[in-house]
Amino acid sequence: DTEVTQTPKHLVMGMTNKKSLKCEQHMGHRAMYWYKQKAKKPPELMFVYSYEKLSINESVPSRFSPECPNSSLLNLHLHALQPEDSALYLCASSQVGGAGNSPLHFGNGTRLTVT
Amino acid sequence: ELKVEQNPLFLSMQEGKNYTIYCNYSTTSDRLYWYRQDPGKSLESLFVLLSNGAVKQEGRLMASLDTKARLSTLHITAAVHDLSATYFCAVTNTGNQFYFGTGTSLTVIP
Repeated sequence: DTEVTQTPKHLVMGMTNKKSLKCEQHMGHRAMYWYKQKAKKPPELMFVYSYEKLSINESVPSRFSPECPNSSLLNLHLHALQPEDSALYLCASSQVGGAGNSPLHFGNGTRLTVT
Repeated sequence: ELKVEQNPLFLSMQEGKNYTIYCNYSTTSDRLYWYRQDPGKSLESLFVLLSNGAVKQEGRLMASLDTKARLSTLHITAAVHDLSATYFCAVTNTGNQFYFGTGTSLTVIP
């Protein structure tokens, strides 16, 4: 079983909807990530939080809004998405700066379809 | 920006055969990671390689790192069907950015 939990597993939303993706980890990791993955492509980094502060935003459109309420939780708020935003959204966590040589630990992902 | 390339992109091999996947990266990094992804699933960490000359083995998979050549290899020995998956390498910079390779889709044919 994965130690990073993502909900929901599947999400279908219209272009005018507002929804949120949730991620939780209890490994004591202080870096948390959102990745977007299209079919047969590598994961693309969206956001990185380090010690609950946004440290990297890879020029992601404002219709994606991340939030890190505490060291265990990470949310991704979605609003006015486009069909091309349909993808697998992966949450991951690690020790900060790769400390302890920590790899990324991924959740099972949320399969998002925008209609 | 750090670029990571893998080859081949697609690999079809018979059970029992050996093969190597290559991962090249563009700038200095002393940490390299290998991940496996099954269709429709998330990524699973396989290996963490920390220094030049590092070698790790798990079952039929062996990974190595040559930081001077900026090259890592993932060697598959006597392939079995269960190894069919997509394999990604990734490297990190001094921050928390993990740069993923293009991926190698492996299919093992009985």
